[in-house]
Amino acid sequence: DTAVSQTPKYLVTQMGNDKSIKCEQNLGHDTMYWYKQDSKKFLKIMFSYNNKELIINETVPNRFSPKSPDKAHLNLHINSLELGDSAVYFCASSQRNAGNEQFFGPGTRLTVL
Amino acid sequence: GENVEQHPSTLSVQEGDSAVIKCTYSDSASNYFPWYKQELGKRPQLIIDIRSNVGEKKDQRIAVTLNKTAKHFSLHITETQPEDSAVYFCAASNMNTGFQKLVFGTGTRLLVSP
Repeated sequence: DTAVSQTPKYLVTQMGNDKSIKCEQNLGHDTMYWYKQDSKKFLKIMFSYNNKELIINETVPNRFSPKSPDKAHLNLHINSLELGDSAVYFCASSQRNAGNEQFFGPGTRLTVL
Repeated sequence: GENVEQHPSTLSVQEGDSAVIKCTYSDSASNYFPWYKQELGKRPQLIIDIRSNVGEKKDQRIAVTLNKTAKHFSLHITETQPEDSAVYFCAASNMNTGFQKLVFGTGTRLLVSP
């Protein structure tokens, strides 16, 4: 019954590899987000989708590609992983025009070696 | 774009004391200001929010004040307890754009000692 879930919880990989993180929400929300939280705890938005349409695309390298197959899912694929990609990635969701609370997933800790 | 500054970066208080965290924002169009609490190893969770048509909002031991003219808002926690220990983030957003882009402050690590 988890509202926003992410898989995997931990991801350890070598530089240059390609990896994906999956996010699902069962709240019926129409908007989903990806955030990156670095080692200093800075929390920064990367992408947002509303009803499968990309509406926010911050200054993120092209190696990061989000995909939203439906409004309950938002996945993040990362190509050619670099050391600086190591961080905790949080997925979140909210419902436009129905309060403004964003509900966060548990996070995926990505470590690039 | 919006820029949110948050102070202090760390705050240590004794149990029962009050704690105040302050944020300033740069974009006068911002009209929604949430506060999130993140416990160690956990996800950020909303604890209180305020919209620009209100100057103050209170929920039990926590309150938020907003000064639109000065473009700053503050979180007040009274009668602090050890379980209040966490990182607190302020954020700002312009809801009139039709989508919610939260710009977060840099976080305040609050430590409440018994």
